[in-house]
Amino acid sequence: DADVTQTPRNRITKTGKRIMLECSQTKGHDRMYWYRQDPGLGLRLIYYSFDVKDINKGEISDGYSVSRQAQAKFSLSLESAIPNQTALYFCATSESGTAYEQYFGPGTRLTVT
Amino acid sequence: GDSVTQMEGPVTLSEEAFLTINCTYTATGYPSLFWYVQYPGEGLQLLLKATKADDKGSNKGFEATYRKETTSFHLEKGSVQVSDSAVYFCALTANAGGTSYGKLTFGQGTILTVHP
Repeated sequence: DADVTQTPRNRITKTGKRIMLECSQTKGHDRMYWYRQDPGLGLRLIYYSFDVKDINKGEISDGYSVSRQAQAKFSLSLESAIPNQTALYFCATSESGTAYEQYFGPGTRLTVT
Repeated sequence: GDSVTQMEGPVTLSEEAFLTINCTYTATGYPSLFWYVQYPGEGLQLLLKATKADDKGSNKGFEATYRKETTSFHLEKGSVQVSDSAVYFCALTANAGGTSYGKLTFGQGTILTVHP
């Protein structure tokens, strides 16, 4: 079984809908991250969490919110989806001591029409 | 703020050719530098790292040397294989103890395609 799982893997939704992307990990890591990937822009950090009670905004948090339900679960929500949120979304985890070595899930491809 | 710039892609090579993907960075202090690789349909995985100037990271035949004087971390491989076809990302983070430790800043990615 994969160490970092994301659901759903693909999602098509309409403008204005609320959508939640979920991430679970079995690595026992305390840090979790959400990124979005756009062609030609690399990965950009949306939110990150150092532990269940510590959640921080990344460089592109507007239009997104997160919830750290447990050490192993970190969800990303789009309150009112818009077309320019169409992207590939990745969840990642890391240990505190080696936070640069991040383990990525397989990604969720989100399309907003 | 911190930034990473990679050479424009995509890069197309024949098997056994020499590979170089250029990466330069702008950062305060002394960041750690990384190359991540993304195979088709998968998430990113760490390929190699270097945490201080003149360090050489290596893995799976790939190498990169941390050059502080030129703020560069170019990825090289002497003989590429078809299985190396992937997207390669250069990235940096502040060193441990800094408030940005663990926050990775990525370059835009370089698509590599290797033909038999």
